Amino acid sequence: GQQVMQIPQYQHVQEGEDFTTYCNSSTTLSNIQWYKQRPGGHPVFLIQLVKSGEVKKQKRLTFQFGEAKKNSSLHITATQTTDVGTYFCAGPLYAGNMLTFGGGTRLMVKP
Amino acid sequence: GAVVSQHPSWVICKSGTSVKIECRSLDFQATTMFWYRQFPKQSLMLMATSNEGSKATYEQGVEKDKFLINHASLTLSTLTVTSAHPEDSSFYICSASRFGSSYEQYFGPGTRLTVT
Repeated sequence: GQQVMQIPQYQHVQEGEDFTTYCNSSTTLSNIQWYKQRPGGHPVFLIQLVKSGEVKKQKRLTFQFGEAKKNSSLHITATQTTDVGTYFCAGPLYAGNMLTFGGGTRLMVKP
Repeated sequence: GAVVSQHPSWVICKSGTSVKIECRSLDFQATTMFWYRQFPKQSLMLMATSNEGSKATYEQGVEKDKFLINHASLTLSTLTVTSAHPEDSSFYICSASRFGSSYEQYFGPGTRLTVT
């Protein structure tokens, strides 16, 4: 069936190193969203990308939406311990505003 | 703005009993509310979508008679886990989208259910 896949599942980095998570959809998306879930917390909306090839930045976070609108990436420059958490991408694979979430990438930052 | 609350935040119940979880949008009217289930270190799995005043749409494999959803108003949706079993123990999270939000969902803090 239609799905959203994310890699890697886990990533350990040393504080100050960069981090990237990749998201791929089996189908073209009208938009893609990114959420962050801290350990023990709930998902918090980070950003939505709508346009083909769109790039958005939030401080040290850079989000990209692929030209074909089937993939996306989140890049964090110079990670900090506050970046720890699981990053999920999500897209509306079906009609309506239901979101299908990727498996998430769990980021661990070693101080 | 766009705050979603859930109650209770955690609950322990015995097998065979029913548990009701409330999801409220505090400062906006939610056109649609969603119920997810999340197992430890796993992704969110959509259980059902509910719109105010209409029956919920359940995802494949989710028993509608076991997970009763009532969307009573534009600010309140409830999920009742009926005849709970230990395998129903999980983290249940609701989210809400508001009119004109372009699909953005606002998540509640979640409810951790433990069935003994």
